[in-house]
Amino acid sequence: GNSVTQMEGPVTLSEEAFLTINCTYTATGYPSLFWYVQYPGEGLQLLLKATKADDKGSNKGFEATYRKETTSFHLEKGSVQVSDSAVYFCALNTNFGNEKLTFGTGTRLTIIP
Amino acid sequence: GAGVSQSPRYKVAKRGQDVALRCDPISGHVSLFWYQQALGQGPEFLTYFQNEAQLDKSGLPSDRFFAERPEGSVSTLKIQRTQQEDSAVYLCASSLRTASYEQYFGPGTRLTVT
Repeated sequence: GNSVTQMEGPVTLSEEAFLTINCTYTATGYPSLFWYVQYPGEGLQLLLKATKADDKGSNKGFEATYRKETTSFHLEKGSVQVSDSAVYFCALNTNFGNEKLTFGTGTRLTIIP
Repeated sequence: GAGVSQSPRYKVAKRGQDVALRCDPISGHVSLFWYQQALGQGPEFLTYFQNEAQLDKSGLPSDRFFAERPEGSVSTLKIQRTQQEDSAVYLCASSLRTASYEQYFGPGTRLTVT
């Protein structure tokens, strides 16, 4: 079956530090890959996505590249801000007529000024 | 515009009670999903509707869980004879059409079974 393994948290960084949150996956077929973010007190929001190998998704300074050879989709940001403090979830679907998402366990990120 | 809304936002039930959780998807969205999120975990798929048809209910943990979407819009997730292990946040998501990749999530209903 499909599964997503995500870097365990919590992660605490200083403002302007470089961020990497690791994500690897197991899936049948050719999955689409996503990063969702949950800010304090808010619902899950799509942060970025990539739908085929070597695609790079990007949004709000975050990037992730779909690496089929290493089955990975690591999230990166060059300079984090306090407002990036949130829980980040890596997810996939395989789009076999049902786009149900399979999520990782989430990584809580705290940025300190 | 209006996003996905869920009600109630919080529900406390005594063990053995029945509960009903409501989801109002974004108007015109064809697909609707229910997920269960235990504390400290990622959301896990429960069931999926395309319009009023329930096409996948493979994630429902037991026959105490039942979902419906009779007119292809509002959906209700019902849990009968609640147990403590049902305590979780229940998330609803909708997407515009079956080929759409983006699911829009509601704020969730936090269910606590005492």
